[in-house]
Amino acid sequence: AQSVTQPDIHITVSEGASLELRCNYSYGATPYLFWYVQSPGQGLQLLLKYFSGDTLVQGIKGFEAEFKRSQSSFNLRKPSVHWSDAAEYFCAVGGGDDKIIFGKGTRLHILP
Amino acid sequence: EPEVTQTPSHQVTQMGQEVILRCVPISNHLYFYWYRQILGQKVEFLVSFYNNEISEKSEIFDDQFSVERPDGSNFTLKIRSTKLEDSAMYFCASSVAGGRSNSPLHFGNGTRLTVT
Repeated sequence: AQSVTQPDIHITVSEGASLELRCNYSYGATPYLFWYVQSPGQGLQLLLKYFSGDTLVQGIKGFEAEFKRSQSSFNLRKPSVHWSDAAEYFCAVGGGDDKIIFGKGTRLHILP
Repeated sequence: EPEVTQTPSHQVTQMGQEVILRCVPISNHLYFYWYRQILGQKVEFLVSFYNNEISEKSEIFDDQFSVERPDGSNFTLKIRSTKLEDSAMYFCASSVAGGRSNSPLHFGNGTRLTVT
């Protein structure tokens, strides 16, 4: 069965600084990988996904993520964060069955 | 852009009461899901539904829970006798082709269930 680990519960960065949120997955075959963002009181919005091909995927809002099979990782990056990026970010993995499994999330705080 | 819609946005109920959470998935989607998120915790899978039957369910989805697609548009989650620990945000999601493919899940904004 697939599983996801997001090792950082909280991350704080200054506005304009770069960001990297970590995600490690466990799955026997090539996984389908997703990053979702959840703003307070809102649902989950898809930022980007990976399923095959180019290991660097571009998403909405200037986010990108890189799939590294050797490290079982799918870290999310943004070169320069904006105050509006403050939210909770969830990494998710699918592929083995009809469901996708979410990590525990990383809450991103932005300092002005 | 089509959306998954959930009603109500907030439901308060007393322990032991039945609740039905409602969802309208995106119209051309074939897979439907319920997830829940207890306050401050991760998003947990409850159940997936395809072709008018449950395709997968988690250990959380016990006999107190049931799902139904009563017509061509609605997808409901029923909790027969609510417990305090059922208090959570419940998210409905739909997908074109399910988790075995690369099609992402599209989520509604959730129903916050409070059991008192």
